[in-house]
Amino acid sequence: AQSVTQPDIHITVSEGASLELRCNYSYGATPYLFWYVQSPGQGLQLLLKYFSGDTLVQGIKGFEAEFKRSQSSFNLRKPSVHWSDAAEYFCAVGPQGGGGNKLTFGTGTQLKVEL
Amino acid sequence: ETGVTQSPTHLIKTRGQQVTLRCSSQSGHNTVSWYQQALGQGPQFIFQYYREEENGRGNFPPRFSGLQFPNYSSELNVNALELDDSALYLCASSFPGAGNTIYFGEGSWLTVV
Repeated sequence: AQSVTQPDIHITVSEGASLELRCNYSYGATPYLFWYVQSPGQGLQLLLKYFSGDTLVQGIKGFEAEFKRSQSSFNLRKPSVHWSDAAEYFCAVGPQGGGGNKLTFGTGTQLKVEL
Repeated sequence: ETGVTQSPTHLIKTRGQQVTLRCSSQSGHNTVSWYQQALGQGPQFIFQYYREEENGRGNFPPRFSGLQFPNYSSELNVNALELDDSALYLCASSFPGAGNTIYFGEGSWLTVV
């Protein structure tokens, strides 16, 4: 069965500092990987996705993520965090073929940004 | 804007009652799925519909059911509500095929008392 682990429940960074959110997955085949962000009381906004090709993926709001097959990881990074980035971040894995929208999410990482 | 609209945004129901949540997707998004997100948790896959037929279900009992309509709208129905059904319910839709972006709505907050 597929699973996603986000080891950090809470992370606090200072505005302007760099950020890395960790995501490890377990999946029997080549996965389809996502990072979503959720602000309080809101739905999920897609930051970026990896389907195939270049393992370094660029997303919106200055975020990027790197797919490392050997480590089963898909960590999210941002070189300089803004106060507006404070939110909850979810990593998700989905099937590449036939599974459609069936995603498995991690439990999320709550990001706090100190001014 | 994701083009996925959900209603109602908030509702309160009593244990044992039934609830219907609605979702409207973009034209052409004939794959729709529903997720339950309990407080402090990640979303959990409930089921998926493709061309008006269920074609995947997560670990949820049969009292969770759905419908998808030809006009790209869909419903999630929950019977015999339990307190643990209190959660944010998210609808997600996409064009068919692998690699397409999956768009989420803002969700419907259900409180069961």
